[in-house]
Amino acid sequence: EDQVTQSPEALRLQEGESSSLNCSYTVSGLRGLFWYRQDPGKGPEFLFTLYSAGEEKEKERLKATLTKKESFLHITAPKPEDSATYLCAVPNQAGTALIFGKGTTLSVSS
Amino acid sequence: EPEVTQTPSHQVTQMGQEVILRCVPISNHLYFYWYRQILGQKVEFLVSFYNNEISEKSEIFDDQFSVERPDGSNFTLKIRSTKLEDSAMYFCASSEATRDRVFFGPGTRLTVL
Repeated sequence: EDQVTQSPEALRLQEGESSSLNCSYTVSGLRGLFWYRQDPGKGPEFLFTLYSAGEEKEKERLKATLTKKESFLHITAPKPEDSATYLCAVPNQAGTALIFGKGTTLSVSS
Repeated sequence: EPEVTQTPSHQVTQMGQEVILRCVPISNHLYFYWYRQILGQKVEFLVSFYNNEISEKSEIFDDQFSVERPDGSNFTLKIRSTKLEDSAMYFCASSEATRDRVFFGPGTRLTVL
């Protein structure tokens, strides 16, 4: 059973068209929720860690929010350079490993 | 800003051969990890390493795999007898004591023929 589910799998936006990506999780006793950006053929690039419901973090055009069952990555007025796969991950029970979702592949066209 | 580095960037090997993938974690980090990503699939955990020993390993990390921290800077993953299904991107990662940020390296693409 997947513990981290991301939706949609793929998202196409026009430049400037804001949207949100979703990450839902089923682990109990959340020890943090991690967001990463991954470009093709590259390693995941750390974006944010969120710990408690209601927490928000921002970086440029990205804002991550957390509820008790899901997290959203809001992209405001995206640019073509925001095109990438965005990954969500949660720690396992022991906190010794990250469990990743399959990711949302975002394409932003000008 | 400090980064995790990995060598080589691409390794091609014959089935049954041994390979060693190398990583230099960020210098003040205490936790080290290997993950892999088969093409088109999600990132999967292999092993975590802390205080010179394995702290957790996944079902994927069987007897063909081993890790080592031979000195104060390097962290290696060895696959003793590679199989076709070992073809993947292998990522090294490291984190500080708090583990609130996990940084990944650029990866080694392993191709087993």
